[in-house]
Amino acid sequence: QSVLTQPPSVSAAPGQIVTISCSGSSSNIGNNYVSWYQQLPGTAPKLLIYDNYKRPSGIPDRFSGSKSGTSATLGITGLQTGDEADYYCGAWDSSLSGYVFGTGTKVTVL
Amino acid sequence: EVQLVESGGGLVQPGGSLRLSCAASGFSFSSYEMNWVRQAPGKGLEWVSYISSSGGATYYADSVKGRFTISRDNAKNSLYLQMNSVRVEDTAVYYCAREVGAGDAYDIWGQGTMVTVSS
Repeated sequence: QSVLTQPPSVSAAPGQIVTISCSGSSSNIGNNYVSWYQQLPGTAPKLLIYDNYKRPSGIPDRFSGSKSGTSATLGITGLQTGDEADYYCGAWDSSLSGYVFGTGTKVTVL
Repeated sequence: EVQLVESGGGLVQPGGSLRLSCAASGFSFSSYEMNWVRQAPGKGLEWVSYISSSGGATYYADSVKGRFTISRDNAKNSLYLQMNSVRVEDTAVYYCAREVGAGDAYDIWGQGTMVTVSS
């Protein structure tokens, strides 16, 4: 059972903006870094954001991350059909001594 | 090319054992912490286990603690997951993942290996 809560789905038209929330607690998001992953159908997850807001090399600046208190947000601007995927947040949980993933959000481009 | 390649998956009966391997290439394997992450069919991601770069520290998800053992051989650039007393609910694609950054992010993932637990 995931301890990080995300909306099951979000959708928007091409070119629009979507945001995905990730709600946790003081033992995970509140006191540890957040990462975001994109998983295209049938493929392994891909790191989009690490250390709350940093982008790995090759990730376009259309993807952004932020954190406030015990919640984090992934933003995608200029939505493209290729962005249709499942998105997961993740963070270390100090109480569990383990990494926790969010429940996952499916992004649909209308 | 930086790459992780898993192997060892397959069909195993409940209560049986299986050993997964992850071969690393293209980077200094011994310098990185590593993890196993799994994904049951149609479900989300679940972290399974962590091992430090030297192998001296390990952590496990409660769901596998006492049954699974993570290990590594830095001389062979390889990561392992020994799975004992497997259960039907262990059925999943198992990924190995490299850890980077201050915040335990996983930047390199393998293609995954499928483990099916069934009688």
